[in-house]
Amino acid sequence: DVKVTQSSRYLVKRTGEKVFLECVQDMDHENMFWYRQDPGLGLRLIYFSYDVKMKEKGDIPEGYSVSREKKERFSLILESASTNQTSMYLCASSDRVDRGYTFGSGTRLTVV
Amino acid sequence: DAKTTQPNSMESNEEEPVHLPCNHSTISGTDYIHWYRQLPSQGPEYVIHGLTSNVNNRMASLAIAEDRKSSTLILHRATLRDAAVYYCILRDRAGGTSYGKLTFGQGTILTVHP
Repeated sequence: DVKVTQSSRYLVKRTGEKVFLECVQDMDHENMFWYRQDPGLGLRLIYFSYDVKMKEKGDIPEGYSVSREKKERFSLILESASTNQTSMYLCASSDRVDRGYTFGSGTRLTVV
Repeated sequence: DAKTTQPNSMESNEEEPVHLPCNHSTISGTDYIHWYRQLPSQGPEYVIHGLTSNVNNRMASLAIAEDRKSSTLILHRATLRDAAVYYCILRDRAGGTSYGKLTFGQGTILTVHP
């Protein structure tokens, strides 16, 4: 089975810190995604990548950037963390469009 | 992105079948119908997907209307472990891209009673 691993389950950071959320997948998938999930707002797409060094903005990219230097790794970067970025962050990967996504377990980030 | 409409919540008893409906009246010919579920404190889990024909796998069955404007996820015998939020999502394969991003709605909260 495909595994998507997120580096931290829980993270607490201070306002203004630079935060890196790491995601690694082990099945050679081309496509990787970052979502955030908030009560009442559901899952919203932040950024995605369909190839190494390629990235596309999702629905809510403001305040975030991403990096994909290797196929298996997709990093989400909060350049200057703010309290409104407190959320559950979910990484996912997939190959062809006629297959399902595999999600990681999520990172619950709290910015204080 | 094409939208889906699902009931906010449904209830079932253990060991009974559950039919979770989804309307997607604006579906295009290139959209796949995907279902995911999310258990508390976990990431979403892929359940099943289809294009035109009904599909079965070890987790569930997917019944797709002939006009593709609606679909139903069928859990044949609900267990307490099936209590989750179920999302019906359209994934677009158009444009020659492979990524076909998913846009999540609010989903259906399924409660299973012992």
